[in-house]
Amino acid sequence: QKEVEQDPGPLSVPEGAIVSLNCTYSNSAFQYFMWYRQYSRKGPELLMYTYSSGNKEDGRFTAQVDKSSKYISLFIRDSQPSDSATYLCAMRREAAGNKLTFGGGTRVLVKP
Amino acid sequence: EPEVTQTPSHQVTQMGQEVILRCVPISNHLYFYWYRQILGQKVEFLVSFYNNEISEKSEIFDDQFSVERPDGSNFTLKIRSTKLEDSAMYFCASSDLGTGASRQYFGPGTRLTVT
Repeated sequence: QKEVEQDPGPLSVPEGAIVSLNCTYSNSAFQYFMWYRQYSRKGPELLMYTYSSGNKEDGRFTAQVDKSSKYISLFIRDSQPSDSATYLCAMRREAAGNKLTFGGGTRVLVKP
Repeated sequence: EPEVTQTPSHQVTQMGQEVILRCVPISNHLYFYWYRQILGQKVEFLVSFYNNEISEKSEIFDDQFSVERPDGSNFTLKIRSTKLEDSAMYFCASSDLGTGASRQYFGPGTRLTVT
């Protein structure tokens, strides 16, 4: 079983729709959960950062973590064509400085 | 807003040659990382560096790879004898020191092409 699994997509939605992304993981030691956005041939850009279970909202973005199910989600409300990118989930263990383990990314296309 | 920078943006080299990829982390950060992403694949951890020594490395980071912080601002990744399979995007990242809530910020990457 892969440590972090993510559906590769592509996920195509009309402009204004809600984009729903998720990852599952197997390592219960993961405590910090992140979502990065990556445009083609660019570096990952940190979008959301959550610790342990719960929800976090930032503008149009909502991140959810369910540690009991080893499942994390990212929701993008009122999606825009500029949201078209690959979204990577990443996670790490407790200590600062620990490596990130990434999912394979989900490609999202928001059509005008 | 502070950002991680990397040079060059694209490096083409012949198999067997040495390459050095350069990064300038965010100035008050103390943890530094290299990741790589082979085209179409996931981002993979290579190495982390703190207090002038490697703190963790992956099985990818073999004797052909080395890292160095030659001065107060640069962080480099050297590949001694490149192989075709080293072709990838290489990302530098940095994070601040502190609680477990430190965030890793990535540079734009160096695309390495080995021919």
